[in-house]
Amino acid sequence: GNSVTQMEGPVTLSEEAFLTINCTYTATGYPSLFWYVQYPGEGLQLLLKATKADDKGSNKGFEATYRKETTSFHLEKGSVQVSDSAVYFCALSDNYKLSFGAGTTVTVRA
Amino acid sequence: EAGVVQSPRYKIIEKKQPVAFWCNPISGHNTLYWYRQNLGQGPELLIRYENEEAVDDSQLPKDRFSAERLKGVDSTLKIQPAELGDSAVYLCASSLSVWGADGEEYGYTFGSGTRLTVV
Repeated sequence: GNSVTQMEGPVTLSEEAFLTINCTYTATGYPSLFWYVQYPGEGLQLLLKATKADDKGSNKGFEATYRKETTSFHLEKGSVQVSDSAVYFCALSDNYKLSFGAGTTVTVRA
Repeated sequence: EAGVVQSPRYKIIEKKQPVAFWCNPISGHNTLYWYRQNLGQGPELLIRYENEEAVDDSQLPKDRFSAERLKGVDSTLKIQPAELGDSAVYLCASSLSVWGADGEEYGYTFGSGTRLTVV
């Protein structure tokens, strides 16, 4: 079946540091790929998405590229802020159903 | 526009007691989902509704869990009786339509969830 594996956390960074969270997937067919973010006390929010190979999703300074050859969708941000502290989930879609990774907790220190 | 509304936000109950969660989806969203998120894990789908019909409940533990979506709008998820292992965050989500052929998302939106603690 479909599955997502993402880098284990927690990850602690200083402000303005570079962030990367690795995500790889296993799927039949050609799923869409997503990054969701969960800020403390809030629900899951879509951060970015890519629907086909070589697509790059981007939002709020975050980027991820759909790499079919390596079955990966790594999340990157060049300069993080304290407000980026959250739990990040990689996910793929199988028609209507989202399959999530376990989540990576990111803490950014001032 | 109001998002997906869930209540209560928190619930603590003793094992063997019943509990119910309520979800009000985004207006006009015909598809509704219930997910369960265990501590330190990603959400997992329990059930999906298209309007008032449960079209996928294969992951719902039917011996103790039940759900309904009367009139194709609000939904209720119930556990009876609750067990210690049911402690988790229960998330509701809604979307405008089933996924398109290209996997495009149609406004898939999550609520803030209900955190259940069974003691």
